[in-house]
Amino acid sequence: AQRVTQPEKLLSVFKGAPVELKCNYSYSGSPELFWYVQYSRQRLQLLLRHISRESIKGFTADLNKGETSFHLKKPFAQEEDSAMYYCALSNAGGTSYGKLTFGQGTILTVHP
Amino acid sequence: DVKVTQSSRYLVKRTGEKVFLECVQDMDHENMFWYRQDPGLGLRLIYFSYDVKMKEKGDIPEGYSVSREKKERFSLILESASTNQTSMYLCASRPRTATRGQPQHFGDGTRLSIL
Repeated sequence: AQRVTQPEKLLSVFKGAPVELKCNYSYSGSPELFWYVQYSRQRLQLLLRHISRESIKGFTADLNKGETSFHLKKPFAQEEDSAMYYCALSNAGGTSYGKLTFGQGTILTVHP
Repeated sequence: DVKVTQSSRYLVKRTGEKVFLECVQDMDHENMFWYRQDPGLGLRLIYFSYDVKMKEKGDIPEGYSVSREKKERFSLILESASTNQTSMYLCASRPRTATRGQPQHFGDGTRLSIL
């Protein structure tokens, strides 16, 4: 069975500090990993996907298959980064239909 | 831009009532999903549908059913609402594609309270 673990429910940093949100997964096949973000009173939206290897709003995430991790990083946190972050895994191959398994979520608070 | 619309932002119902949550998407996506979002538990999949009239159970289907009579609309039904179904419900859609990395698109959510 596939599983996603975000070990930190809450994470607080000061503006300008580096931030890392941890995500570990268990999956026997070839995973597709995503980070979703939910800002206050907004809908859940895609932040990053591992397949794109992109940087969005200064965030990056690298898939480490050896450590089965997909940690989200930003070198200099901003107050507007305060939000709920979810790591999610999809086994989009075959007939899985792109179902997502989500982690428990991490609430990031960036203090001024 | 993909638009997923959930009919109600807030809903208050009583135990034992039959409750309908509606979701409509405008991008002709084949796959649609219902999740519930609870603090500390993340999002959990209730049901999903991969075509009109086709559905499959997710991880927590007990106490719920779904209906997909039209491609753009996916309804979640609480047959007899109970207080432990008080939660935020999120609908999502995604095209059927072999392209890797295709994300799901979410609605604003319905915050349902069962009294």
